[in-house]
Amino acid sequence: GQNIDQPTEMTATEGAIVQINCTYQTSGFNGLFWYQQHAGEAPTFLSYNVLDGLEEKGRFSSFLSRSKGYSYLLLKELQMKDSASYLCAVRDSNYQLIWGAGTKLIIKP
Amino acid sequence: NAGVTQTPKFQVLKTGQSMTLQCAQDMNHEYMSWYRQDPGMGLRLIHYSVGAGITDQGEVPNGYNVSRSTTEDFPLRLLSAAPSQTSVYFCASSYSDTSSGANVLTFGAGSRLTVL
Repeated sequence: GQNIDQPTEMTATEGAIVQINCTYQTSGFNGLFWYQQHAGEAPTFLSYNVLDGLEEKGRFSSFLSRSKGYSYLLLKELQMKDSASYLCAVRDSNYQLIWGAGTKLIIKP
Repeated sequence: NAGVTQTPKFQVLKTGQSMTLQCAQDMNHEYMSWYRQDPGMGLRLIHYSVGAGITDQGEVPNGYNVSRSTTEDFPLRLLSAAPSQTSVYFCASSYSDTSSGANVLTFGAGSRLTVL
């Protein structure tokens, strides 16, 4: 079967750095996505990785290792508005998205 | 540009009732889809469409129907509501379902459905 694993919940301090991990086992691989979802709102796109390595976009970076079936999302200089759920999704060989259950990130002052 | 518009935002149904969740997009996206989101689970694909006149089943299609008569609209019909269909439903669209690039989904605001 296909599986995406993420921690259920993480807590971090405002101004700090946090790394949210995602491991996957899927039928094929055509890219990995990270979405942010604030409570009661729709998911919004954060990042996309298809090749190994680090993609940086402002305070957010995403890393991919295809051989290890592993990705992480790195959030720097945390702000209170970063409190949200972070969803990892992998596009499989049929170009269907397989979604993780999401990691709820709590930021404390 | 409104993006993806979903209605209603909230709905309470009794078991056995039917209803339609509306979804419209104004971005000329070919691909449209319906997901449900339940606590502790990832988004699950219900139905999707790769263009007007074409629909297909996703992971959890039972109890739901869709149609795609125009590029813009993709309604989701619950035929006979059951408590197991209590969920938050999201409509999402993108330019294409098959892309080597970052084919990003744009989501509607969601519809919270409770079936009693």
